[in-house]
Amino acid sequence: DVQLLESGGGLVLPGGSLRLSCAASGFTFSNYAMTWVRQAPGKGLEWVSAISGPSDYIYYADSVKGRFTISRDNSEKTLYLQMNSLSAEDTAVYYCAKRSIEYGGHFDFWGQGTLVTVSS
Amino acid sequence: EVVMTQSPAALSVSPGERATLSCRASQSVSSNLAWFQQKPGQGPRLLIYSASSRATGIPARFSGSGSGTEFTLTISSLQSEDFAVYYCQQYNSWPITFGQGTRLDI
Repeated sequence: DVQLLESGGGLVLPGGSLRLSCAASGFTFSNYAMTWVRQAPGKGLEWVSAISGPSDYIYYADSVKGRFTISRDNSEKTLYLQMNSLSAEDTAVYYCAKRSIEYGGHFDFWGQGTLVTVSS
Repeated sequence: EVVMTQSPAALSVSPGERATLSCRASQSVSSNLAWFQQKPGQGPRLLIYSASSRATGIPARFSGSGSGTEFTLTISSLQSEDFAVYYCQQYNSWPITFGQGTRLDI
């Protein structure tokens, strides 16, 4: 079975940094694009970033461009999201999701999420 | 950016009844449209992809239709476990965008 387990969330001060991880199992990780999606408390879903299987295509939402960096380690079957210059607007549950093909496709499996709270 | 607009924002339906949820895109997304279900405290679950294909394990009472800019999710006979929030999403162009959600209440 496909499993995605996010970790690394927590409380961080405004202006601070945090790195999220998403450990994958149950599928050949390197063959699929991956993505991050976030959900602010009581709000809807917002796509954050995506990366192709070989890491040669990377995309960001304008709201995080220049502050967040997505990466992956295919040997460790892990997806990362480095988040810098955090503000209260970044407070959300962050989900990783598997995409259906190497360079895109629909989001077929999601993790349970990790909560990031930016507050002083 | 493609803006996805869902209607209604909330829908009250009785178990056993039919529910019809709508999603409109501000420009054509072809058939690159997905529907997700989300329950409190859980991650979203894929229901429908490519506008009308049911994901693995999704009951036949869920069906999707449409292409271009107008899409519909139909739940033919609501079960108690179907009461949740439903999101549409386009993955045709960057940035990927979601609708604001439709809450399905008993």
